[in-house]
Amino acid sequence: KAGVTQTPRYLIKTRGQQVTLSCSPISGHRSVSWYQQTPGQGLQFLFEYFSETQRNKGNFPGRFSGRQFSNSRSEMNVSTLELGDSALYLCASSLDGGRYEQYFGPGTRLTVT
Amino acid sequence: AQTVTQSQPEMSVQEAETVTLSCTYDTSENNYYLFWYKQPPSRQMILVIRQEAYKQQNATENRFSVNFQKAAKSFSLKISDSQLGDTAMYFCVLVHNNNDMRFGAGTRLTVKP
Repeated sequence: KAGVTQTPRYLIKTRGQQVTLSCSPISGHRSVSWYQQTPGQGLQFLFEYFSETQRNKGNFPGRFSGRQFSNSRSEMNVSTLELGDSALYLCASSLDGGRYEQYFGPGTRLTVT
Repeated sequence: AQTVTQSQPEMSVQEAETVTLSCTYDTSENNYYLFWYKQPPSRQMILVIRQEAYKQQNATENRFSVNFQKAAKSFSLKISDSQLGDTAMYFCVLVHNNNDMRFGAGTRLTVKP
């Protein structure tokens, strides 16, 4: 069974730009969650999508958004990038949310200059 | 507040020895799930062990076991016969029935040869 894939793996953007990250879950998994990981703030939950609907949301500004497609693939978008958005963005898939084992992707390393 | 506290930012252990990682949490819910995830230097996060709060029996997975004290809101991880491959960042995670997830700050474990 193929694992969770994230693209791109590395990204460099300039302040004010926007970025879209992609996540392909494990086949059969309907839940996709996104996390931001930084040395200062640790691992923080961004949002969870289940069957194309946002089911949970963390405490992030509206510049962070996401969506899920009918094939469960998910994208997250960050608009008007700030230096503080530099982080490792992790995606995880599961059968039905964090109550179950989550399978994490390798992450996308975003650097904002 | 629903928080997870890992009071040991870093720990080290000799190969083949036993080590215990601490985690305390705070929640007003009665039903929830607790997890330990590990993130090796390669960055892909993987599940170590899962505990359902309504189960009194402590979960075990091979060399990994937990000491779940519900009244004390404590959830420690014991690693027996430590191996070099256990070197990783370990995260304690609290998940509620609505899939709201809270991560601890992590404990960086180094297994020394």
